[in-house]
Amino acid sequence: RKEVEQDPGPFNVPEGATVAFNCTYSNSASQSFFWYRQDCRKEPKLLMSVYSSGNEDGRFTAQLNRASQYISLLIRDSKLSDSATYLCVVNDYGGSQGNLIFGKGTKLSVKP
Amino acid sequence: GAVVSQHPSRVICKSGTSVKIECRSLDFQATTMFWYRQFPKKSLMLMATSNEGSKATYEQGVEKDKFLINHASLTLSTLTVTSAHPEDSSFYICSARDEGLAIYEQYFGPGTRLTVT
Repeated sequence: RKEVEQDPGPFNVPEGATVAFNCTYSNSASQSFFWYRQDCRKEPKLLMSVYSSGNEDGRFTAQLNRASQYISLLIRDSKLSDSATYLCVVNDYGGSQGNLIFGKGTKLSVKP
Repeated sequence: GAVVSQHPSRVICKSGTSVKIECRSLDFQATTMFWYRQFPKKSLMLMATSNEGSKATYEQGVEKDKFLINHASLTLSTLTVTSAHPEDSSFYICSARDEGLAIYEQYFGPGTRLTVT
């Protein structure tokens, strides 16, 4: 069974804190990896793709470890607006459509 | 980023009626669109993959006769929930993949919240 596992949280952190989320995936053939964020009762929005070399976008840094089948997201200097659920997403390689498999999400709550 | 619209955003219907949800890619063409369902505090579950000009591919456990999908053009896919029942109440979200991109990024519509009474 192809799965994506995440710590559900919630992570309750003060503004300005650094927080890290982890994710593991079971399909070793997966080729594409993403982090999405989903606000309450809204659709998921792409936060960033995750590349083998790791990538950074402002306060957000994503890392991929293919050997361990592990993905991480680091958020520095947390803002109140970062409060959301963060979804680890992996493509279902082997399926003909390149479908995405979603983790259940990690909830982040940034407090003043 | 690519824009996907969904209509209606919210619908309340009586048990036994059918509901149609539209998903449109506004600024790109999508030969492939996806329909997801999300129950409260649960992850998104793929229901089916919608293919322009051909039959949809349904995930295991999803009844194709109950959830009718039509992908008549490169920018429009519709999901019809037939003979809806209260257990069909959920958040239905579509997504589309920009075929011009090399990787599997999907862009989501704003979702349709269905309540069946």
